[in-house]
Amino acid sequence: DAKTTQPPSMDCAEGRAANLPCNHSTISGNEYVYWYRQIHSQGPQYIIHGLKNNVTNEMASLIITEDRKSSTLILPHATLRDTAVYYCIVRVGGATNKLIFGTGTLLAVQP
Amino acid sequence: GAGVSQSPSNKVTEKGKDVELRCDPISGHTALYWYRQRLGQGLEFLIYFQGNSAPDKSGLPSDRFSAERTGESVSTLTIQRTQQEDSAVYLCASSLGAGFTQPQHFGDGTRLSIL
Repeated sequence: DAKTTQPPSMDCAEGRAANLPCNHSTISGNEYVYWYRQIHSQGPQYIIHGLKNNVTNEMASLIITEDRKSSTLILPHATLRDTAVYYCIVRVGGATNKLIFGTGTLLAVQP
Repeated sequence: GAGVSQSPSNKVTEKGKDVELRCDPISGHTALYWYRQRLGQGLEFLIYFQGNSAPDKSGLPSDRFSAERTGESVSTLTIQRTQQEDSAVYLCASSLGAGFTQPQHFGDGTRLSIL
């Protein structure tokens, strides 16, 4: 089972920041938070990951709360091409390293 | 650079036939994963390779499913005696290593339709 909870859908105006929340209250101390997105008919695209400090790359910023029980993915200037399903994933440890995908958040960027 | 490549992109076959799906990972990536995504649903893990070995096959749904990897590169997922419930997009991912900090990079999948 997925260890994360996300809202099923969100809207965002084009050019504005999109803030996507994720709850992961049972996260363990050494588990990373990963974000992927999936645009229709494509494979999931890696966005960003982090452990406990805020992270920024060319695509997005990841803000993780101090207690690590929740995080927010920020797309600073959303475009229509950012419309996708966004998945927040807690990376499962052990021998498998598999990703467990939940149902994600459908972000619809509106013109 | 080149990403994960999967072939064919689409496959339509009759129930009962065998199918082979191919994955070419990113060069140098030692870890390789197969996932399945049924229509309108999330991704399900199938199998994980580290090099040519498969430490975790726990997601393979039945003994009709098998996978191999050779040369620490190409992987093939084989489904024997296909059933209609096997219809899905089969996705392959690879990562530089298998640790927590190594992102998995996905191909665009093979869309399998069983008639």
